[in-house]
Amino acid sequence: AQSVTQPDIHITVSEGASLELRCNYSYGATPYLFWYVQSPGQGLQLLLKYFSGDTLVQGIKGFEAEFKRSQSSFNLRKPSVHWSDAAEYFCAVSNQAGTALIFGKGTTLSVSS
Amino acid sequence: GAVVSQHPSWVICKSGTSVKIECRSLDFQATTMFWYRQFPKQSLMLMATSNEGSKATYEQGVEKDKFLINHASLTLSTLTVTSAHPEDSSFYICSARGLLSSYNEQFFGPGTRLTVL
Repeated sequence: AQSVTQPDIHITVSEGASLELRCNYSYGATPYLFWYVQSPGQGLQLLLKYFSGDTLVQGIKGFEAEFKRSQSSFNLRKPSVHWSDAAEYFCAVSNQAGTALIFGKGTTLSVSS
Repeated sequence: GAVVSQHPSWVICKSGTSVKIECRSLDFQATTMFWYRQFPKQSLMLMATSNEGSKATYEQGVEKDKFLINHASLTLSTLTVTSAHPEDSSFYICSARGLLSSYNEQFFGPGTRLTVL
């Protein structure tokens, strides 16, 4: 069965510092991987996605993620965090684009000044 | 493009009443819509998959007689929580997938906060 693990429940980063949010997945075939951000009381916004091709994908708001098949990982990174990045981040996987997503439990990002 | 709306954005109802939540794809035709549920501080859990013109497929543990889903057109799906109880209070989020030739991804609505008193 597909599953997604986000090992970090809560991360605090200083404004301007770099960020890496971890995501590991379990899936037998090539997964379709997504990162979403959710602000309090809001819906989900897609940050980036990976279907195939270049394993380093660029997203919106300066985020990027790298697919590493050998490690079953799809970690999200940002070189310099802004206070407005404070939110909940979800990693998700599906077996093909457009099917129901399996979400990780999420990582709450706090940004300190 | 690819905007999904939900109505209402929040609703408060008394225990025992029914509540209908609408999910609309505003600028594309959605052949499939998904309904998720999110409890506070938790992740999204898929409740059901709805294909236009056919019966919804419910995930294990989701009561189909309690959570009625209708996907009568290519732009609208509804979720009706029947005889709602306080434990049904949650954040309900829909997403929509378009026709394969145009939109191959899933787009999320802003969510509906349901509070049952």
